[in-house]
Amino acid sequence: GESVGLHLPTLSVQEGDNSIINCAYSNSASDYFIWYKQESGKGPQFIIDIRSNMDKRQGQRVTVLLNKTVKHLSLQIAATQPGDSAVYFCAETYFKAAGNKLTFGGGTRVLVKP
Amino acid sequence: DVKVTQSSRYLVKRTGEKVFLECVQDMDHENMFWYRQDPGLGLRLIYFSYDVKMKEKGDIPEGYSVSREKKERFSLILESASTNQTSMYLCASSSTGLAGDDEQFFGPGTRLTVL
Repeated sequence: GESVGLHLPTLSVQEGDNSIINCAYSNSASDYFIWYKQESGKGPQFIIDIRSNMDKRQGQRVTVLLNKTVKHLSLQIAATQPGDSAVYFCAETYFKAAGNKLTFGGGTRVLVKP
Repeated sequence: DVKVTQSSRYLVKRTGEKVFLECVQDMDHENMFWYRQDPGLGLRLIYFSYDVKMKEKGDIPEGYSVSREKKERFSLILESASTNQTSMYLCASSSTGLAGDDEQFFGPGTRLTVL
């Protein structure tokens, strides 16, 4: 079936360095993508989203890149901080999916080393 | 701010018991979702609802049922709990925007242990 997946289950990064988290998706009909951050003991929280008519979107210290040709999504975190340690999920959906149903990837754990 | 609350953070039940997990959202969202989260498997959709009294099966509905009698409340029911239903359960809600690009807001989760 259609799925969203992640290449790296765990990413260790030095504080102050940039982090890149990758995600592959297989549903060519997907047109909306979201990155979530989940800290220990909490539910996932929205970070940034992107629609398929864009290939890049920037937020505060985060950038999402979308490559529709190879069905690849990435999240870049600039100047990674200890508070960025969490599990990051990508998710996808498509316009008019019933209930805006999302399909989630398996998650990548980011560990920030001081 | 959108708030999604879940009735319990931690729950311990015995095999065969009937279990109710409650979720309430305060933003008048049309859509509500129940997921379970297990190590290495990410978030898997159990059931969702896009309107009061409407429900749709997700990817893993077996062993679960749901109820949506009011717009703000979405209940997950385990008719006869089993040990393989030990998991973290997450509720989420979203609105149905014109562009269909509305994020889901998550509750804090309920960690259920079935003994």
